[in-house]
Formats: sequence, C-alpha cells, structure tokens
Amino acid sequence: AQRVTQPEKLLSVFKGAPVELKCNYSYSGSPELFWYVQYSRQRLQLLLRHISRESIKGFTADLNKGETSFHLKKPFAQEEDSAMYYCALTEGGGGSNYKLTFGKGTLLTVNP
Amino acid sequence: KAGVTQTPRYLIKTRGQQVTLSCSPISGHRSVSWYQQTPGQGLQFLFEYFSETQRNKGNFPGRFSGRQFSNSRSEMNVSTLELGDSALYLCASSPLSYLEAFFGQGTRLTVV
Repeated sequence: AQRVTQPEKLLSVFKGAPVELKCNYSYSGSPELFWYVQYSRQRLQLLLRHISRESIKGFTADLNKGETSFHLKKPFAQEEDSAMYYCALTEGGGGSNYKLTFGKGTLLTVNP
Repeated sequence: KAGVTQTPRYLIKTRGQQVTLSCSPISGHRSVSWYQQTPGQGLQFLFEYFSETQRNKGNFPGRFSGRQFSNSRSEMNVSTLELGDSALYLCASSPLSYLEAFFGQGTRLTVV
C-alpha cells in the first residue's frame, strides 16, 4: 500500500531563514511525487511536481529514491509562504491509476 | 478559465439521510476525483472518474458512490449518513491523468 508521511504537523521559522518540509513515502513501484499548498482561505493548488524538476516561488524538491524522500526546501522563507503544505504521490508511468495519496500536511508559519 | 465549481458549499444533514454533492470540472478536463478531508484522517481518496467510467476507488464503504456525466460533470452520493461522514469533500479535475489536479473549494458536510 502506498503511504506518505509528513513528520512535522507544525513548522515555524523566521523570515529569511531556510526552510525544509519533510516528506517520506512508501511505494513499491515508481511513484510521481507532488507538493500541494493551501494558503489561508484559498483552494488546494499544485506547488510543484518532481517530474518537472522546476522551482516554483523559490521552492525546490528532490526525489531521493534511496531514502524514499521528497523534502521541500527554500533557502530564504518569506511571510507569504505561510500555508499548509501537503506532499502527495500517485502511480507513475502515466498509467490509469490516478489516485493521489496525501500526507497529513505541515502547517508552515513564517514569522516577521 | 473558470475553476472547478462545487455545489453546494455547505450542507447540514441528519443521520440516516442521503446527500448528493455536485462538481463541475474545468472545461476540457475529463478526469474528476473526489476526496474526503477530515482533521483526523486528512485527505483521503474516494474515487476517480474518466469519461463516465469509474477507474479507481478508495477504501470507503458502499454508501459512498458517484457518477460522471457525458459533459464531465460529476456527482457523489452518500446514503444513510453517519456522524463520521462530517467532512470537507473536495473535487479535483485534470486534463490528463496525473499531471496536475485542480481542486474546487469543497463542500462542507455536517451530519447531526
């Protein structure tokens, strides 16, 4: 069974400090990994996906298959980064098994 | 481009009743997924429809069902409501399987 673990429910940092939101997964095949974000009073939206190898709003995430991790990082946190962050995975390969498995989420607070 | 629209936004039902929630995907999106979000369990996958066919189903009892129409609009139904069904129900649509899920604002269901 696939599982996503986000060990920190809450994470608080100061503006300008580096931030890392941890995500570990359990999946027997080759998954596709995502980070979704929910800002206050907004809908859940995609932040980035590992397949694109992109940097969005200064965030990056590297898939480490050996450690089965997909940690989200940003070198200098901004107050507008305060939000709920969810790590998610689905079966890779473009198959029809489109089912997102989410972690429980990490609430990031960036203090001024 | 209009986003994913879910109606109604809020519902209060009594135990034993049934409820139908509606989701209108982004125009051109053929995949529609449903998720249940609760404080204890987080975001859990209910089912996914593609071109009117249910392709995937999560681990929920048979009281939870859904369907998709030819215009890709989707409905989910919960029969014989229980207190534990109180949750935020999210709908997401995608143009292709797993590339990105666009979420609606959700329907907040309260069972009393």
